[in-house]
Amino acid sequence: EDQVTQSPEALRLQEGESSSLNCSYTVSGLRGLFWYRQDPGKGPEFLFTLYSAGEEKEKERLKATLTKKESFLHITAPKPEDSATYLCAAHGSGNTGKLIFGQGTTLQVKP
Amino acid sequence: GAGVSQSPSNKVTEKGKDVELRCDPISGHTALYWYRQSLGQGLEFLIYFQGNSAPDKSGLPSDRFSAERTGGSVSTLTIQRTQQEDSAVYLCASSLGLGGDGYTFGSGTRLTVV
Repeated sequence: EDQVTQSPEALRLQEGESSSLNCSYTVSGLRGLFWYRQDPGKGPEFLFTLYSAGEEKEKERLKATLTKKESFLHITAPKPEDSATYLCAAHGSGNTGKLIFGQGTTLQVKP
Repeated sequence: GAGVSQSPSNKVTEKGKDVELRCDPISGHTALYWYRQSLGQGLEFLIYFQGNSAPDKSGLPSDRFSAERTGGSVSTLTIQRTQQEDSAVYLCASSLGLGGDGYTFGSGTRLTVV
C-alpha cells in the first residue's frame, strides 16, 4: 500500500536556526513528490515538485531534495513567518490524479 | 474566479442530519478533488473528477458520502445521516491536469457534528 510518513510531527526552532524536515515514502512508480505549506485556517499552498532522485529545488530559505526513499525540506536561517505546517505528498503511477499525503510537520520559529 | 471557493466556511450540524458542501473551482480547471483533513491527521483523499470521465470514488469512506460535479464546474459533496466521526475540514482542489503541482486548494469547510 502506498504510504507517506513525515517526521518530526512538530519542530520548534529559534530564528536563524537551520534544520530539516523528513518525508519517507513507499509509492509504486513515483510520478512526483510534492511539498505544500499550510497556514492555520487555510488550504495547502504549493511549494515544490520533485520528479527524480537527486533532484533539488530552492525557494528563498527552503530547499527540497529527493532520494529513492525519502525527501527532505531544508530550512536555512528560518524566520518567524516560516511558521506553518509543511505537508509532503506523493503521486504514484496507479493513483490517477490523487495524491497520498503525509501527516505534516508543524514548524514554529521563535524570534 | 481567481481561486477555489468553498462554502460554507463553517458548518455545525446535528448528528443524523444531511449536509451539502460546495466547491467552485478555478475556471477552466478540468480536474477537481475532495480531501478530508481530521485534527492531527494528513489529508485523506475522497473523490476525484476529471473532465467527462467517471469519477474516482475510491476514497469515499461509506455510502453516506456522495459527490457530483455539474457542467464540469461546481461540485457538491453530500454527507447523509452525519456522524460525529465526520467532523473534519473538507478541502477541495482543482487543477488543469493530473498531478499535484497544478493543485490549487480552497480554504475548506470546517464541519462539526454535535
